[in-house]
Amino acid sequence: AQSVTQLGSHVSVSEGALVLLRCNYSSSVPPYLFWYVQYPNQGLQLLLKYTSAATLVKGINGFEAEFKKSETSFHLTKPSAHMSDAAEYFCAVSGDTGRRALTFGSGTRLQVQP
Amino acid sequence: EAQVTQNPRYLITVTGKKLTVTCSQNMNHEYMSWYRQDPGLGLRQIYYSMNVEVTDKGDVPEGYKVSRKEKRNFPLILESPSPNQTSLYFCASSPEFGTGGAETQYFGPGTRLLVL
Repeated sequence: AQSVTQLGSHVSVSEGALVLLRCNYSSSVPPYLFWYVQYPNQGLQLLLKYTSAATLVKGINGFEAEFKKSETSFHLTKPSAHMSDAAEYFCAVSGDTGRRALTFGSGTRLQVQP
Repeated sequence: EAQVTQNPRYLITVTGKKLTVTCSQNMNHEYMSWYRQDPGLGLRQIYYSMNVEVTDKGDVPEGYKVSRKEKRNFPLILESPSPNQTSLYFCASSPEFGTGGAETQYFGPGTRLLVL
């Protein structure tokens, strides 16, 4: 069974500050890990994914995440927040080769203060 | 433009009145899936399809039906909707590369359903 835990349902940062969104996963098989972003009234858009190549994954809009097996973590970071980063962010894990289902965390809403 | 489309985007209905939410993708993807999103729960898979005429249950299939008669379409059917099916629904698709879960899933814009 797989699960994802996102610590902090709401995170608020100042514009220009570091963004850190936390994700821990549980998986009985080597996982594939994803971060998706959801802007208001829109669908989910892929930010980045880990598929066992490099442990540091770079995504769109300046985001990156590091896979740490020993900590079962896949935290999302961005050095400098921009107002346009305000959105809800979902971490997801996929390891079920049959069903291909993504197991999502409960989401973290990022607010960026001017 | 490569995309997943859903219709309708918003729907208000009453308990017991059958409804269908359509999903279509133009990327020739083999895999399609339906999720529901509820506050504090993230997204949960309802049904999925690995290809035409191949469908199976996800984590929360009760009260839903699906069909996959054409590769591009994957409608979600609520035969007798109930208020606990009030939710935001997303359709997703992905290609089949044989990498078992590493493929990116592309999501539609969502359908917000209210069942009174």
